[in-house]
Amino acid sequence: GENVEQHPSTLSVQEGDSAVIKCTYSDSASNYFPWYKQELGKGPQLIIDIRSNVGEKKDQRIAVTLNKTAKHFSLHITETQPEDSAVYFCAAAFYNQGGKLIFGQGTELSVKP
Amino acid sequence: KAGVTQTPRYLIKTRGQQVTLSCSPISGHRSVSWYQQTPGQGLQFLFEYFSETQRNKGNFPGRFSGRQFSNSRSEMNVSTLELGDSALYLCASSLEGGSGANVLTFGAGSRLTVL
Repeated sequence: GENVEQHPSTLSVQEGDSAVIKCTYSDSASNYFPWYKQELGKGPQLIIDIRSNVGEKKDQRIAVTLNKTAKHFSLHITETQPEDSAVYFCAAAFYNQGGKLIFGQGTELSVKP
Repeated sequence: KAGVTQTPRYLIKTRGQQVTLSCSPISGHRSVSWYQQTPGQGLQFLFEYFSETQRNKGNFPGRFSGRQFSNSRSEMNVSTLELGDSALYLCASSLEGGSGANVLTFGAGSRLTVL
């Protein structure tokens, strides 16, 4: 069945360092890969997404890379700041299958000042 | 522009009771999806409604149901509550079709505790 594996489950970095979170997916038909950030007491918030016709996408300090052959995608955060501390979720979906996203288990990122 | 609004934010029920949760999507969004979030299982897809019709369904028992109204507002219902139903229930809305179809905006959630 559809499955998304996410690693690591927890990640602690020093302020200014980079953080990398990795996900693999099982359904080769998946073609949309969003990343969400969830802060305490809030719902997940979309921070970046990528579609399967693109290998990399950047938005300021965050970037996502996609390797369709390996069914693997990653989130990269550079120059981390304490406000980046949160739980990050990757997800995979089949384009135009509406709101059905398959989520990874989440990574709790802690950025120490 | 108002975000996705979920009510109530917190509620406590006992086993065997039923519960109804409400979700108001972003204005103009016609798709509403529901997710269950627990520490052990993460974010699990419950169902999606579009134009008052269930368009997608996850692997949850029939005790979990939902509906959508003509103004796109949605409700989900859980009957015969079990301890394991304790969770954060998240609603998300999205635009109809096209490149916006998968882009979900989540509400803050309804925290259900079953005693």
